[in-house]
Amino acid sequence: EIVMTQSPATLSASPGERATLACRASQGVGSNLAWYQQQPGQAPRVLIYGASTRASGAPARFSGSGSGTEFTLTISSLQSEDFAVYYCQQYDNNWPPLFTFGPGTKVEMK
Amino acid sequence: EVQLLQSAAEVRKPGESLKISCKASGFTFTSHWMGWVRQRPGKGLEWMGIIFPRDSDTKYNPSFRGQVTISADKSSDTAYLDWSSLKPSDTGIYYCARHPLDPFSDSSGYYYDFWGQGTMVTVSS
Repeated sequence: EIVMTQSPATLSASPGERATLACRASQGVGSNLAWYQQQPGQAPRVLIYGASTRASGAPARFSGSGSGTEFTLTISSLQSEDFAVYYCQQYDNNWPPLFTFGPGTKVEMK
Repeated sequence: EVQLLQSAAEVRKPGESLKISCKASGFTFTSHWMGWVRQRPGKGLEWMGIIFPRDSDTKYNPSFRGQVTISADKSSDTAYLDWSSLKPSDTGIYYCARHPLDPFSDSSGYYYDFWGQGTMVTVSS
């Protein structure tokens, strides 16, 4: 089973700053990595899929990179609505198939 | 417009049964794998399993196999998640979500592009 880790657990930053979030897989997942944002009290929404493809409606300040086991989500200039929890998700196509989420990174206002 | 409308919050006692629903609209329900995700209070997202409504092919996370049953009704475009005997540890928000593509024939379809609003399930004596 592929284990996902995310760092840091909490990121304290100010509006306008650049934020870099990391996601690591215990085994290679190719580019099968997605990033989600979850606001308090809301369902998650996809921001990035295929490691670097921005989803429809995701602002251009969000970008994703990486492949294999190391991935990064970058928010170029934090806006007030970006303070939320971010999850990565991978697809393990071994048996049984698993669509595992990472533990999340909370981006909080400094 | 794609919509996933989930049933209302539920409160049950341990040992009771429960079935929650996810009504799909705005797309061809039988052409998309549908997933269920749990979020315990203050915790992260846990992938539970998925179903292909066209033939009810279902795949479970081993951690949830035998604990819940995932089903779908093609005639009403509705996916279901049910428990035969709830435990307090089942307390949480349950989300349904849609895969944009068949992840088993196109691995780029592994993620979830639309989510329901969530159903809060509280199990307490």
